[in-house]
Amino acid sequence: AQSVAQPEDQVNVAEGNPLTVKCTYSVSGNPYLFWYVQYPNRGLQFLLKYITGDNLVKGSYGFEAEFNKSQTSFHLKKPSALVSDSALYFCAVRPPLNDYKLSFGAGTTVTVRA
Amino acid sequence: SQTIHQWPATLVQPVGSPLSLECTVEGTSNPNLYWYRQAAGRGLQLLFYSIGIDQISSEVPQNLSASRPQDRQFILSSKKLLLSDSGFYLCAWSVQQNDEQYFGPGTRLTVT
Repeated sequence: AQSVAQPEDQVNVAEGNPLTVKCTYSVSGNPYLFWYVQYPNRGLQFLLKYITGDNLVKGSYGFEAEFNKSQTSFHLKKPSALVSDSALYFCAVRPPLNDYKLSFGAGTTVTVRA
Repeated sequence: SQTIHQWPATLVQPVGSPLSLECTVEGTSNPNLYWYRQAAGRGLQLLFYSIGIDQISSEVPQNLSASRPQDRQFILSSKKLLLSDSGFYLCAWSVQQNDEQYFGPGTRLTVT
């Protein structure tokens, strides 16, 4: 069975500093990996995905993520954080081929201070 | 463009009352549809998914059921609500199983 771990419940950064949100996964075969963001009392918004190809994936709002197969990680990054990036971030994984189940991590709350 | 609607946005129901939450998708055909529950603003639990009309899979045994009366309509129901059914319910859709899922705005359910 697949699983996702987000080791940090909270990440606090100053505006303008780099932001990293960590994610590690466990899945049989080559994973499909996703990042979502959730603002208070809202649904999740898709940020980016890795299916195959280049290990560095670029997504919405200036975010990017790097797939590292040897470390089974898919960390989310942003070079310069904004106060508006403060939100709850979820990593998700699903195995390939005919499986509709996304497994979500517990989420990481990001706070960017002005 | 595709949009997903959920209603109601908030709901307060007494224990033992019935439940019906509705989700509809516009701008696409034959979507995969999903119901999730999010407790305490954290992790998501997949409740049901559907790859077509009359094709619904349940992920966990519980007090809830799902139906898909039309291609782009997904309904979450309960005959008798429990206190533990409180939470934030999210509907989502995707084009194919390997594509990203797009989420609706959610329904905040409080069972009293």
